[in-house]
Amino acid sequence: AQKITQTQPGMFVQEKEAVTLDCTYDTSDPSYGLFWYKQPSSGEMIFLIYQGSYDQQNATEGRYSLNFQKARKSANLVISASQLGDSAMYFCAMRGPSGNTPLVFGKGTRLSVIA
Amino acid sequence: DGGITQSPKYLFRKEGQNVTLSCEQNLNHDAMYWYRQDPGQGLRLIYYSQIVNDFQKGDIAEGYSVSREKKESFPLTVTSAQKNPTAFYLCASTLGRGLINRYNEQFFGPGTRLTVL
Repeated sequence: AQKITQTQPGMFVQEKEAVTLDCTYDTSDPSYGLFWYKQPSSGEMIFLIYQGSYDQQNATEGRYSLNFQKARKSANLVISASQLGDSAMYFCAMRGPSGNTPLVFGKGTRLSVIA
Repeated sequence: DGGITQSPKYLFRKEGQNVTLSCEQNLNHDAMYWYRQDPGQGLRLIYYSQIVNDFQKGDIAEGYSVSREKKESFPLTVTSAQKNPTAFYLCASTLGRGLINRYNEQFFGPGTRLTVL
C-alpha cells in the first residue's frame, strides 16, 4: 500500500523568504508519481508540480521546485520568494504505477506567510 | 472552457435523508474520483471509477453510493447510513491512460460543503 507522510502541521515563513515543506512516502512500486497541490481557503485544489520516479532531474515550476531524494523516499516542496498569496494548505500525493489509480494524499501542511 | 463542475456548492441535509452530489466533467477523462475532506485533514477516497459502468470502493465507502452511467458524470449519494456526513466533498478526474506520467494529473472540481442539521 502507498502512504504519504507530512510531518509539519503548520509552518510560518517571512514574505520573500524560501520555505521547504516536507513529504516522505512509502511504496513498493518501482514506477510512481509524486504531486503537490495547494488548497487556498476557498477549497479548490490547485496542481503545483509533478515528479516521476524515473525522472533524472528535480522538477521545477516557476517558484516551486521539488527536492526529490529517491533513496530517502522524500519529495520536499521548496517555495522560493514567498508571497502573501502562498498562504494555504499544501498537500503531497502519490500515484502509481498506472495513470488512473487514485491519488493517495498526506494530511497536509498549513503555510502562513507573514508580511 | 474544459473543467469539472460540482453542484450544489453548499448543501444542508436533515438527519435520515439521502442527498446526491453532482459531478460533471467535459475533459473527456476516463477516470473519476470522490474524496471527503474533514476540517484540517487530508483527502480520503470514497469511490472511484476508471471506466463507464464500473466503480470501486475507496477507503471510506460505507454509507455512500455512486453510479457511472455516462463518461462525463459521476454522482455521489450520501445515504442515511453515513453516520457523520458533514464534510467537504471533492470530485476529481484524470485522463487515466497508460502508465503514470505528468499528464495523469488529477483535476479537481470546486467542491461541495455538506452540513447535516
